[in-house]
Amino acid sequence: GIQVEQSPPDLILQEGANSTLRCNFSDSVNNLQWFHQNPWGQLINLFYIPSGTKQNGRLSATTVATERYSLLYISSSQTTDSGVYFCAGVYGNNRLAFGKGNQVVVIP
Amino acid sequence: DGGITQSPKYLFRKEGQNVTLSCEQNLNHDAMYWYRQDPGQGLRLIYYSQIVNDFQKGDIAEGYSVSREKKESFPLTVTSAQKNPTAFYLCASSKDRVDNQPQHFGDGTRLSIL
Repeated sequence: GIQVEQSPPDLILQEGANSTLRCNFSDSVNNLQWFHQNPWGQLINLFYIPSGTKQNGRLSATTVATERYSLLYISSSQTTDSGVYFCAGVYGNNRLAFGKGNQVVVIP
Repeated sequence: DGGITQSPKYLFRKEGQNVTLSCEQNLNHDAMYWYRQDPGQGLRLIYYSQIVNDFQKGDIAEGYSVSREKKESFPLTVTSAQKNPTAFYLCASSKDRVDNQPQHFGDGTRLSIL
């Protein structure tokens, strides 16, 4: 199966700081999803991005499919951005291969 | 409201007991999925169903069973054969199995062994 590696595994940010999370995948994928898991376990869709760049408020994502990686940018971080960020590669019959996540803590 | 409903939120199982986790969606989605999440880990696929009355094993199907008798429902049974069932279980759905339809997730069920 496809292996997905996320870095850094843990990140502590001062409120207002910017950060970049990275996702590398071992083989070609048909698409890529970014999720945010809040402290209650809810998994929220952030981006569905096979290639190129998308922006949603303070968050943006870039996928370079030819080089098998994706980046998630958080700008002007807020405490509500805390949680775990997952990327997942889409392959086969719309199956998802998840990374282990980036644990982000934003401190006031 | 449209969405995916999982119940119960918390579930306790005794040794040797089967338990069933419920997943219902009113999004009119064809495909549904069950995932397991262990602490500090990503999600792993247990079973998925692309159409009513059909389902396939995922990466960790041993000790689990599913059914898909109705489009909106995809219950997961954790059997006594699953030796380490304590985990967070998440159900998802997508419009169809084509690789350009994002998966949407329910709020999960936390299963613990008494």
